[in-house]
Amino acid sequence: DQQVKQNSPSLSVQEGRISILNCDYTNSMFDYFLWYKKYPAEGPTFLISISSIKDKNEDGRFTVFLNKSAKHLSLHIVPSQPGDSAVYFCAASGTRNQFYFGTGTSLTVIP
Amino acid sequence: NAGVTQTPKFRVLKTGQSMTLLCAQDMNHEYMYWYRQDPGMGLRLIHYSVGEGTTAKGEVPDGYNVSRLKKQNFLLGLESAAPSQTSVYFCASSYVHNQPQHFGDGTRLSIL
Repeated sequence: DQQVKQNSPSLSVQEGRISILNCDYTNSMFDYFLWYKKYPAEGPTFLISISSIKDKNEDGRFTVFLNKSAKHLSLHIVPSQPGDSAVYFCAASGTRNQFYFGTGTSLTVIP
Repeated sequence: NAGVTQTPKFRVLKTGQSMTLLCAQDMNHEYMYWYRQDPGMGLRLIHYSVGEGTTAKGEVPDGYNVSRLKKQNFLLGLESAAPSQTSVYFCASSYVHNQPQHFGDGTRLSIL
């Protein structure tokens, strides 16, 4: 049973506009969340994280929002750039030494 | 700075053959992980290790074994490969559990 879900397999955005990627989770014990970016033929690279004690974390053009009551997190990229075109995975963990990954969203930023 | 290195990058096996995938990290990380990525499934944890000499099962451990004899290396073994194990395998490492993981570039394994 998928504990972390990314319901949008793909997203296309114009360069300069905002990209919003969404992620839902089912396990209320998850307390740490991350976003990874993946280019073809490469491993995922860490982008940004948030713990459950916060509802927002920013790093440059990237902001992650966490809504614990809705069990939902989102990644905002502003402004979007062509180099942001990649697959984005969200991941979550709790008390166990395991991360659970979503199925990924493929972002295409159109110049 | 190499980070996490996976060997080999590609491999084709026949059903029933065995092989070992090697993961090496040079960041002195305690935690190491093996994942598999399949279309529409995201990354799923196979096995992990919280330190030298330790291993533990993840979500999908059946058909795989692991060893962590040295802190910098984490080996994933397939004793009798099956077509269902065709996948891309990723190794990752981190200092402690709730920290971002560093990933290798993956091993693409096909089993015929």
